[in-house]
Amino acid sequence: AQSVTQLGSHVSVSEGALVLLRCNYSSSVPPYLFWYVQYPNQGLQLLLKYTSAATLVKGINGFEAEFKKSETSFHLTKPSAHMSDAAEYFCAVITRSNDYKLSFGAGTTVTVRA
Amino acid sequence: DGGITQSPKYLFRKEGQNVTLSCEQNLNHDAMYWYRQDPGQGLRLIYYSQIVNDFQKGDIAEGYSVSREKKESFPLTVTSAQKNPTAFYLCASSILDRADGELFFGEGSRLTVL
Repeated sequence: AQSVTQLGSHVSVSEGALVLLRCNYSSSVPPYLFWYVQYPNQGLQLLLKYTSAATLVKGINGFEAEFKKSETSFHLTKPSAHMSDAAEYFCAVITRSNDYKLSFGAGTTVTVRA
Repeated sequence: DGGITQSPKYLFRKEGQNVTLSCEQNLNHDAMYWYRQDPGQGLRLIYYSQIVNDFQKGDIAEGYSVSREKKESFPLTVTSAQKNPTAFYLCASSILDRADGELFFGEGSRLTVL
């Protein structure tokens, strides 16, 4: 079985500060990992994805994530938060053992303080 | 522009009524999905379809039904058997058998039971 755990349901950061969202996965086979962002009352948009190429993945809007197999982690970071980063972020995992269906974490809501 | 269109965006239902949520895509994707989103629980898969006239139950299919008569369309019916239907419903699509698994989402439909 595969799953993801997002540590912290809410994160508050100051504008210009580092954004760090934590995601740990459990999978018995090599996973593909994703971060999606959701703005209020909208669908989800892909931020970035890891598909077994480079372990450091760069995405849209200045976000990046690093795949660490030894720590079973895929944490999302952005060096300097902007007000427009206020949203909900979801980590997700997919493997062939689950018929390539995405399994989502519970989500982390980011608030940015002026 | 290609994309996924969900309607209606907001829907109110009386207890005991069936309601149908529409999902149409013009991305020429083979696979389509319905997710339910509740606060603090992430996204949970209701049904998915990989080909016309075929679909599979997801993790929480009880009280829901779907059809896939056309490649472009995947409507979801929330039946009176669904005990707690108030939620945000998201439709998504993807290229079939694509291991990197990127989903494209609609804007969502918010169902409220009165």
